[in-house]
Amino acid sequence: DAGVTQSPTHLIKTRGQQVTLRCSPKSGHDTVSWYQQALGQGPQFIFQYYEEEERQRGNFPDRFSGHQFPNYSSELNVNALLLGDSALYLCASSFNRVGSETQYFGPGTRLLVL
Amino acid sequence: AQKVTQAQTEISVVEKEDVTLDCVYETRDTTYYLFWYKQPPSGELVFLIRRNSFDEQNEISGRYSWNFQKSTSSFNFTITASQVVDSAVYFCALRVGGSYIPTFGRGTSLIVHP
Repeated sequence: DAGVTQSPTHLIKTRGQQVTLRCSPKSGHDTVSWYQQALGQGPQFIFQYYEEEERQRGNFPDRFSGHQFPNYSSELNVNALLLGDSALYLCASSFNRVGSETQYFGPGTRLLVL
Repeated sequence: AQKVTQAQTEISVVEKEDVTLDCVYETRDTTYYLFWYKQPPSGELVFLIRRNSFDEQNEISGRYSWNFQKSTSSFNFTITASQVVDSAVYFCALRVGGSYIPTFGRGTSLIVHP
């Protein structure tokens, strides 16, 4: 049973560039959430996708956008990168059924913005 | 608004010691869910337990046990006979019913020395 996978594992970008991160959910899961985790902090919720639509969003600017595909995989896009966007980006998947919303996380993508 | 406080930033113990990680939460909702996750140095958050607000039963899973007390808004996590492999950052999280956004604490770094 494949768990949540993310790519790439590491990424280095410069300020102003754009980046796309990818996530494949755990088998059987239909909901994908994205988190940003700065060093020494807990994960901060960016947004969640279900049925190919953004269902809920955290306190992040519009530079952060996403997409969910029919196979439930998802992408996170960040435009006009800032130094402060350097963080571990985590993807989590879950099954949209009451009582089954526990989120399972992938290994993350470490983004460094120079 | 929801809040999760993990007052212990770092705990250092010697192998075989018992250790308790504290978690205090704040919410006005009567329906909510509490979680513990483990984050080893690799970065992936590993799900440990989920408890809903209507179930105050304590739980034991091997060397792990959890003490949920609504009266003190606490959901503490105890590791019995700690091992070096338990070294990680542990996060407590809260999600209220009707929201897809979990609130994470800042984490407690547990270091188990051989």
